[in-house]
Amino acid sequence: DAEITQSPRHKITETGRQVTLACHQTWNHNNMFWYRQDLGHGLRLIHYSYGVQDTNKGEVSDGYSVSRSNTEDLPLTLESAASSQTSVYFCASSDRTGKATDTQYFGPGTRLTVL
Amino acid sequence: AQKITQTQPGMFVQEKEAVTLDCTYDTSDQSYGLFWYKQPSSGEMIFLIYQGSYDEQNATEGRYSLNFQKARKSANLVISASQLGDSAMYFCAIGTWGGSEKLVFGKGMKLTVNP
Repeated sequence: DAEITQSPRHKITETGRQVTLACHQTWNHNNMFWYRQDLGHGLRLIHYSYGVQDTNKGEVSDGYSVSRSNTEDLPLTLESAASSQTSVYFCASSDRTGKATDTQYFGPGTRLTVL
Repeated sequence: AQKITQTQPGMFVQEKEAVTLDCTYDTSDQSYGLFWYKQPSSGEMIFLIYQGSYDEQNATEGRYSLNFQKARKSANLVISASQLGDSAMYFCAIGTWGGSEKLVFGKGMKLTVNP
């Protein structure tokens, strides 16, 4: 069955370190998204991609970067981790057929703690 | 800009009763989609139901239905015959038609189903 996976599921790091969170989907979806979830804020969009070599900034992109070298993967990099980036990170993907069925499906999430 | 408002921080319902979760939205787009996601305590984001702005009939998916009132800009989720497993956080979101592009989420609300 097609799926979307994230790794690691839990990560503890120190302030100032570079951290990369992996997202891999086997749906063959063109669109991939990264959100962060914080109490009282719901989910907020960090970066998104509509295809290979395409990346776009979302609402809360400062301090994060992504790259899309293939259809399946969209890794999220925190260049220099800050305590404010302690959060739960979700990756999502969707098709892009222009149909109402292009729903976003989410990975299981990565809980990141920055000490 | 698109915006979702979920004002109910928490609700309680008895098992087997119906419950309505409120969602109001704001958008200047003529074509858009409204989504509901469920997040149980295990943390994953589960897609429940979708309503397109041009859909004349309210969407239904099993025990879930979406009470879409375009003039009032509301997209309330109705869960019929609540089950204990319905206890979770529920998020309303708005995006483009079909959800193939970025979603804007509300802050969510917590539903507790009592036996």
